[in-house]
Amino acid sequence: RKEVEQDPGPFNVPEGATVAFNCTYSNSASQSFFWYRQDCRKEPKLLMSVYSSGNEDGRFTAQLNRASQYISLLIRDSKLSDSATYLCVVASNNNDMRFGAGTRLTVKP
Amino acid sequence: EPEVTQTPSHQVTQMGQEVILRCVPISNHLYFYWYRQILGQKVEFLVSFYNNEISEKSEIFDDQFSVERPDGSNFTLKIRSTKLEDSAMYFCASSEARDSPLHFGNGTRLTVT
Repeated sequence: RKEVEQDPGPFNVPEGATVAFNCTYSNSASQSFFWYRQDCRKEPKLLMSVYSSGNEDGRFTAQLNRASQYISLLIRDSKLSDSATYLCVVASNNNDMRFGAGTRLTVKP
Repeated sequence: EPEVTQTPSHQVTQMGQEVILRCVPISNHLYFYWYRQILGQKVEFLVSFYNNEISEKSEIFDDQFSVERPDGSNFTLKIRSTKLEDSAMYFCASSEARDSPLHFGNGTRLTVT
């Protein structure tokens, strides 16, 4: 089983849609979780950390389910500028970060 | 906002040559990382570095690779005897603490011909 696994997509949605991504991780001892976004040929940029109680930042909501070992990202009212690849990042045993392969999102007018 | 800087932005080298990729992490960060991303593929962990030594390395990080923090600011990745399959984007990252988010540099695109 891969350390961090994501639905590869692509997700093609119209502007204003709500879209959700899931990510599963294999190491039950993982402690830190993040969502990054990556634009084509650019570096990954932190979108948000994921906390146990779930957290929201504007149109973005992240959830963590430790029992099932998955995290999710919900984007509401999607914008054209949300088009990117979304990377799930999980801290490994010694807290070094491991990336999922990413989920590609395209928001269309 | 402080940022991680990487040089050069693009490096072209011939197979068998050595390259050094340079990074200046954010000044108060203590943990440093190198990742690589082959075009169209996932971001892959290479190595992490803390307290002047490697804390973890992946299977990719074999004897061909080495890292160094030669002074208080630079963090370098050396690739000896480059191979065609080393062509990729190499990202440096740093973080304040072990479980803090990573801050990435813009990357160095390495092309081995």
